[in-house]
Amino acid sequence: EVQMLESGGDLVQPGGSLRLSCAASGFTFSSYAMSWVRQAPGKGLEWVSAISPTGASTYYADSVQGRFSISRDNSKNTLHLQMSSLRADDTAIYYCVKAYFHTQYSGLDCWGQGTLVTVSS
Amino acid sequence: EIVLTQFPGTLSLSPGERATLSCRASQSVGSSYLAWYQQKPGQAPRLLIYGASSRATGITDRFSGSGSGTDFTLTISRLEPEDFAVYYCQQYGTSPFTFGGGTKVEIK
Repeated sequence: EVQMLESGGDLVQPGGSLRLSCAASGFTFSSYAMSWVRQAPGKGLEWVSAISPTGASTYYADSVQGRFSISRDNSKNTLHLQMSSLRADDTAIYYCVKAYFHTQYSGLDCWGQGTLVTVSS
Repeated sequence: EIVLTQFPGTLSLSPGERATLSCRASQSVGSSYLAWYQQKPGQAPRLLIYGASSRATGITDRFSGSGSGTDFTLTISRLEPEDFAVYYCQQYGTSPFTFGGGTKVEIK
């Protein structure tokens, strides 16, 4: 069974940093692009970032470009999102998501249950 | 950035009725790289449609997608009780891979 288990969500002050992790299982992790998608409380979905299967290519939403960094460790089947200069509007549930096809140019078919990041003083 | 506008914002229908949801892009979506997702309260989203018109694995044929360029449609042929949810479109042809604001399908 394909599973994504996010961790690392926490309450953090504005301007602070946080690192999210996602442990993937049930599929050949190194063969699939992965993404982070977030959802603010009571709001819609916002795509945050994506990474190619090898990690050679990364992509970011304008709202996080320069502040967030996506990475992966294919030897450990783990995806990361390093977040810095956090703002109140970064408050959201962050989902780790697998690409439906191998490439990042793909729909997103398997979602974790999410980890909550709250940015507040 | 490609902006996706979904309409209507809310669709009030009865079980058994047909639902038509629209998604309009601010510029052409390359290779029809357009997906639709369903999200129920307290749950993660579920992929329904990719490539504008292909159903994802395990998705009932009550759901169908169509369109190209800038105009896309998700149709639910006969609403079942479990279909009442929020639906999102997403383009993944050009980074950033943006989502629309969502359409809520509610019971009338």
